[in-house]
Amino acid sequence: AQSVTQPDIHITVSEGASLELRCNYSYGATPYLFWYVQSPGQGLQLLLKYFSGDTLVQGIKGFEAEFKRSQSSFNLRKPSVHWSDAAEYFCAVGGGGSYIPTFGRGTSLIVHP
Amino acid sequence: SQTIHQWPATLVQPVGSPLSLECTVEGTSNPNLYWYRQAAGRGLQLLFYSVGIGQISSEVPQNLSASRPQDRQFILSSKKLLLSDSGFYLCAWSVDVYGYTFGSGTRLTVV
Repeated sequence: AQSVTQPDIHITVSEGASLELRCNYSYGATPYLFWYVQSPGQGLQLLLKYFSGDTLVQGIKGFEAEFKRSQSSFNLRKPSVHWSDAAEYFCAVGGGGSYIPTFGRGTSLIVHP
Repeated sequence: SQTIHQWPATLVQPVGSPLSLECTVEGTSNPNLYWYRQAAGRGLQLLFYSVGIGQISSEVPQNLSASRPQDRQFILSSKKLLLSDSGFYLCAWSVDVYGYTFGSGTRLTVV
């Protein structure tokens, strides 16, 4: 069965600092991996996704993520965080014939001025 | 372009009252449709999904039901709400394995 672990429930960074949100997955084959962002009281928006090819994927809002098969990880990064990045971030894994990804519990990002 | 509409945005209902949340998708055909619930500080819980008209799969036994009367319409219902039904309800659609598009959500408070 597929699963996702986001080990950090909360992350606090200062505005302008770099960011890395961790995501570890369990999947028997090559996974499809996703990062979503949820602003308070809103739905989830897809930031980026990985299916194959280049293991470093670029997304919207200046985010990127790197797929590391050896570590079963798909960490999300941003070189300089803006106050508007404060939100909940969800990692998800899917694949094969399943249309239903498995979501992590989410990481809440707090940005200090 | 494809859009998803979910309403109402907020709802306060008394215990024991019925519920109907609606979700519609535009700009695509035969989408897969999903209802999720998000409790405060918790992750996403898949409630129902549908791969076609009249085809509903339930992931969690509960006080809720779902229906898909039209290709691009997905309805979440309850005959009698419980306090534990409070939460943030999200509708989503997909046409392949390459990711979801979510609606803006409904905040349901059962009092």
